[in-house]
Amino acid sequence: ELKVEQNPLFLSMQEGKNYTIYCNYSTTSDRLYWYRQDPGKSLESLFVLLSNGAVKQEGRLMASLDTKARLSTLHITAAVHDLSATYFCAVDAYNDMRFGAGTRLTVKP
Amino acid sequence: KAGVTQTPRYLIKTRGQQVTLSCSPISGHRSVSWYQQTPGQGLQFLFEYFSETQRNKGNFPGRFSGRQFSNSRSEMNVSTLELGDSALYLCASSLEGTGSQPQHFGDGTRLSIL
Repeated sequence: ELKVEQNPLFLSMQEGKNYTIYCNYSTTSDRLYWYRQDPGKSLESLFVLLSNGAVKQEGRLMASLDTKARLSTLHITAAVHDLSATYFCAVDAYNDMRFGAGTRLTVKP
Repeated sequence: KAGVTQTPRYLIKTRGQQVTLSCSPISGHRSVSWYQQTPGQGLQFLFEYFSETQRNKGNFPGRFSGRQFSNSRSEMNVSTLELGDSALYLCASSLEGTGSQPQHFGDGTRLSIL
């Protein structure tokens, strides 16, 4: 059974600092997704990663995928308060889609 | 361009009843997926429809069903409601549903079971 583990689950960081969220998964997959959710809101799709070595960047967020290590990272550069949200990764492994538990990020001034 | 529209936004039902939720995708999008979000189980994939056919299904009992119409609008139905079905139900649409394109989410339907 596909398992997806995210860490950390909670992250409090200072504005201007860098940090990385990790997403590990248990079975072979070449499709990994990152989403953002603001409190009380729906999901927003951030990145779609489809192949080994894929790297995508949008503003202060950069996501990468290493299918051999079964690991994706979401790197935050020079965090700002607006990035405070919960971030989820999700893995699609041959029609079995599972989400991580989410990382609640708080960026403090 | 209108976004994904889910109706109703809020719904209160009692145990044993059934409920139907609706999702209108972005115009031109042919794939619709449904997700359930609860504090205990987190986000879970329910099913995906493409061109009126269910392509994938998550690990949910048969009480959860769905369908897609020729205009790509989708409905999901939950019968014999249980307390544990209280959740935020999210619908997302994408162009082709190959998994290679970003999904666009509706605001969700918050279902409460009394």
